[in-house]
This record gives sequence, structure tokens and C-alpha cells, in this order.
Amino acid sequence: ETGVTQTPRHLVMGMTNKKSLKCEQHLGHNAMYWYKQSAKKPLELMFVYSLEERVENNSVPSRFSPECPNSSHLFLHLHTLQPEDSALYLCASSQLAGVNEQFFGPGTRLTVL
Amino acid sequence: AQTVTQSQPEMSVQEAETVTLSCTYDTSESDYYLFWYKQPPSRQMILVIRQEAYKQQNATENRFSVNFQKAAKSFSLKISDSQLGDAAMYFCAYRSARGNEKLTFGTGTRLTIIP
Repeated sequence: ETGVTQTPRHLVMGMTNKKSLKCEQHLGHNAMYWYKQSAKKPLELMFVYSLEERVENNSVPSRFSPECPNSSHLFLHLHTLQPEDSALYLCASSQLAGVNEQFFGPGTRLTVL
Repeated sequence: AQTVTQSQPEMSVQEAETVTLSCTYDTSESDYYLFWYKQPPSRQMILVIRQEAYKQQNATENRFSVNFQKAAKSFSLKISDSQLGDAAMYFCAYRSARGNEKLTFGTGTRLTIIP
């Protein structure tokens, strides 16, 4: 595997379910990000992990819970979601230096019924 | 707070022709980075081109070039010799150079290539 991978690619869940999204980066980066992409809206930054510590949380509801066990892996734990949480969730990683270009995964298309 | 505006929700261009996508941004900072990302229908977002604000020379990557006007806070993307594979959503993004890792994105422009 190369670059940034995400699993699953598609997820359908009920409002009472608990699920997790997984992201793995194979680039040796030390920062990872979760974004939410909804139709006709700019990408919304949800969480930033820098050197495995969370450095930014843009007022995301507590039903989204991130976890970064090491510099290569990032999870987004989901519970009691709402239909408006249906979106494409993108993971990205970067190296904390200079331009800090972010590399994106293919995303998980989440549908909440 | 920084904002990024892409005023063209959709654009189309004939294959082999040239198209320019617009982007403006608002910031009070003098040192920052600007990016154009491409998101094809397969969804993986990839970097097309980037520009450091301290550089006066416009960035170029093969058929892709930018027109960076710092005073006007404008950062347009020009695609020359358009190809069918250029069809995608294009996002303009801004990042401060002051250690803040946050990327601020525009709403995107959907580019269609007409054969």
C-alpha cells in the first residue's frame, strides 16, 4: 500500500450504531487530519493530530471521537450519529515542515439512516 | 479568519483548449501558501500545484500554471491543452505559514471537458 488509505470506502449505519473509520498513511508523515466533505460546502476540518497529539478540534460534536494510536494510524469513532452527518469523510497526512503539503485518502462515504 | 472564494461552481472547456479557474482569498497575513487540489470522480484529492506567497514567480507544473496576484489576493489556475482526464472538482486552498496546520478550502469548481 502506498500513500493514504481509508477503510471502509462505504458505510451505511443507523442512528444507534457504533462504527469506526480507519485511516493509515504510508508516507512517514507526523501529522494527520480528518475532514468532512458535504455537497456544495467547503471541506470542513474536524481534527488535527500533530506528533500523535490532538492540536485542533473545530467544535466537532462529541458523537465523533478521534483516536491516533501512532503516527501512521488515525481512527474516527462514530456513535449515535444524525442523518445530517452523512458525508464523505477524508483523511489526510503531512510532514510538519515547510510547505506542509497534505496528502489525502480516497475517503469514506458515510450514510446515516 | 481566512476565507477562500471560488466564484465559478461549474466550468466547461473544449478538449485541447485552455481554461482558467478563479480563486480569491482574504487574509491579513503576509506569509502563506496557496494550493490547487483536484478531486476526480474517484474521489482521491491530489495536489495540482502550490505557490509560496513570498515567491513572485508564478508556479508552473507542466500544463498547469497559476496567476498569483498578491495585492489583489487572487490565485487563478490555468489549464492548457485540456485533456479528458482533467475533468474533476478543483479546490483552491490557503494555509498560513505561521505553524498553523489548517487548510482553508473554497467550495470548488466542477470542470467538464467537452470532447
